[in-house]
Amino acid sequence: AQTVTQSQPEMSVQEAETVTLSCTYDTSESDYYLFWYKQPPSRQMILVIRQEAYKQQNATENRFSVNFQKAAKSFSLKISDSQLGDAAMYFCAYRSAMGSGSRLTFGEGTQLTVNP
Amino acid sequence: NAGVMQNPRHLVRRRGQEARLRCSPMKGHSHVYWYRQLPEEGLKFMVYLQKENIIDESGMPKERFSAEFPKEGPSILRIQQVVRGDSAAYFCASSIGTSGFDEQFFGPGTRLTVL
Repeated sequence: AQTVTQSQPEMSVQEAETVTLSCTYDTSESDYYLFWYKQPPSRQMILVIRQEAYKQQNATENRFSVNFQKAAKSFSLKISDSQLGDAAMYFCAYRSAMGSGSRLTFGEGTQLTVNP
Repeated sequence: NAGVMQNPRHLVRRRGQEARLRCSPMKGHSHVYWYRQLPEEGLKFMVYLQKENIIDESGMPKERFSAEFPKEGPSILRIQQVVRGDSAAYFCASSIGTSGFDEQFFGPGTRLTVL
């Protein structure tokens, strides 16, 4: 079974600064997808960014980018120019590319605080 | 295009009662997933359904929990004889397809409190 680990329960960053959230995962599969979701106080889950394991190029979405290290099974999220609205719980998630409709496996989350 | 709808948003039940949580997927989506989030934890997969079929229920407790997604109407997660440990946020997600890259869109969740 796959597992996802987020070793930082809490992180904080100054507004306009850069912060990196860590995520490692364990799998025996070679093809899979990785995601970062944001959960603000409203509790709505919002997809931030996703990465296909067979792509070596790191995904980027505006101020959000990832550092995907397949051999190390590491998938960190970098938030540049942090804004107050980035404050939320961030979850890393894994999804197998095998079979159909496979579930998302989530980490325990990192609570990000953005200080003005 | 309305997003994934869940109701009720908040549900309070006494121990031993039944809880019914409803989820209407996004228009055009025929794949529904249920996840549970215990306090201070990440989301845990419970069940994956397609219309009239349960595809994967490996994350669902063997007793008291059941799910359905009828041909017409919303998907229902049913918890019988609730206990305090069932208190959690229950999220529904839907997707248009089953390729690994098909995004799962989440509803706002139902927060169940068992007194």
